[in-house]
Amino acid sequence: NAGVTQTPKFQVLKTGQSMTLQCAQDMNHNSMYWYRQDPGMGLRLIYYSASEGTTDKGEVPNGYNVSRLNKREFSLRLESAAPSQTSVYFCASSPQGGNSPLHFGNGTRLTVT
Amino acid sequence: SQQGEEDPQALSIQEGENATMNCSYKTSINNLQWYRQNSGRGLVHLILIRSNEREKHSGRLRVTLDTSKKSSSLLITASRAADTASYFCATGEGAQKLVFGQGTRLTINP
Repeated sequence: NAGVTQTPKFQVLKTGQSMTLQCAQDMNHNSMYWYRQDPGMGLRLIYYSASEGTTDKGEVPNGYNVSRLNKREFSLRLESAAPSQTSVYFCASSPQGGNSPLHFGNGTRLTVT
Repeated sequence: SQQGEEDPQALSIQEGENATMNCSYKTSINNLQWYRQNSGRGLVHLILIRSNEREKHSGRLRVTLDTSKKSSSLLITASRAADTASYFCATGEGAQKLVFGQGTRLTINP
């Protein structure tokens, strides 16, 4: 089983460029999440999706949009990248939201210059 | 804002010793979870303890939860070099959200 797969693994953007981070899970989980991890800040929740067709804001949603394309896929879009969005982005999924363990992908390391 | 705060931020011990990490949080929770992160990798779930539980074991791991003090601890016994990693607590808020602390960096010296 692949679990949670994130693409790309690395990306460098210039300020103002856009890109979409892709995430797919093969565990038939209902809930999916996007977190960002910055040094000394732990993980901060950007957006989450409790089920196909629904999305909700987390702690730090500004500058991001998400799409829950189907049960398997949850994408994160940066419309106009800023240096403050330089971070490592993690996608995660769980069968029962925050009441069950999250399964994480290996992350996308994004640098915005 | 972040819910859980781990203490200490960094811990360095000798192989074979026990390691204890603490987590404090501020609001009511449904559950508290501990995760491990090896350098450059995603987080891996270790233990979930529900708000009505006080202690849970998994192999060399022991987690306690004191809801009156809003705190939890993770004990790793007989540490090994492979336990070197960052450890995070996360609190379940409502049905969906899981809020992470800033983590403890654990180094096991051979």
